Amino acid sequence: QQPVQSPQAVILREGEDAVINCSSSKALYSVHWYRQKHGEAPVFLMILLKGGEQKGHEKISASFNEKKQQSSLYLTASQLSYSGTYFCGTEDQAGTALIFGKGTTLSVSS
Amino acid sequence: DAGVIQSPRHEVTEMGQEVTLRCKPISGHNSLFWYRQTMMRGLELLIYFNNNVPIDDSGMPEDRFSAKMPNASFSTLKIQPSEPRDSAVYFCASTPDRWDPTSRYMNTEAFFGQGTRLTVV
Repeated sequence: QQPVQSPQAVILREGEDAVINCSSSKALYSVHWYRQKHGEAPVFLMILLKGGEQKGHEKISASFNEKKQQSSLYLTASQLSYSGTYFCGTEDQAGTALIFGKGTTLSVSS
Repeated sequence: DAGVIQSPRHEVTEMGQEVTLRCKPISGHNSLFWYRQTMMRGLELLIYFNNNVPIDDSGMPEDRFSAKMPNASFSTLKIQPSEPRDSAVYFCASTPDRWDPTSRYMNTEAFFGQGTRLTVV
């Protein structure tokens, strides 16, 4: 049930772009994205609901394709503050709890 | 609001000892989740409660793990006896009860506590 994220790690320089993908083997109704900085708690970024909506947060946006059971997170013109581990979350079978992928570690250097 | 509060922040214990982790959710939130984070497995859902009632504990790894939520403002996760492989960061999260069960999706964010880093030696 756990969603699968790719790539596992990304290394960028400031100003570069990145895409993080999330896929599931089951039907999805929503996809949630969180970011966790080292030694801190995961922090909410955005929720995408079925319908292919594209949501944005600063220079971070995402898309959701429920037919393909996939979501992608787009980080544009990355900043040092974007460094951290990004998790996608999907609903459990009951639709009442979040199951997270293993995360994608993003490192942005100057 | 102070956010989700977990205690202790760090715990070092010897194998075989009982460990109790504590969580205070955000006031007014109806759902509480316990997650375990390791490098190998990432963030694993252990158990969650809705209105103080355990809904799904299928993620609890073994009978050595137990969780309670005696009231809306307090939950515990207990490991007895603890083993070195239990070493991990344990997070508690809470959400307001605004998901839509008829539509089968969660439309609300989860608020995480700062976690408890458990080391069993």
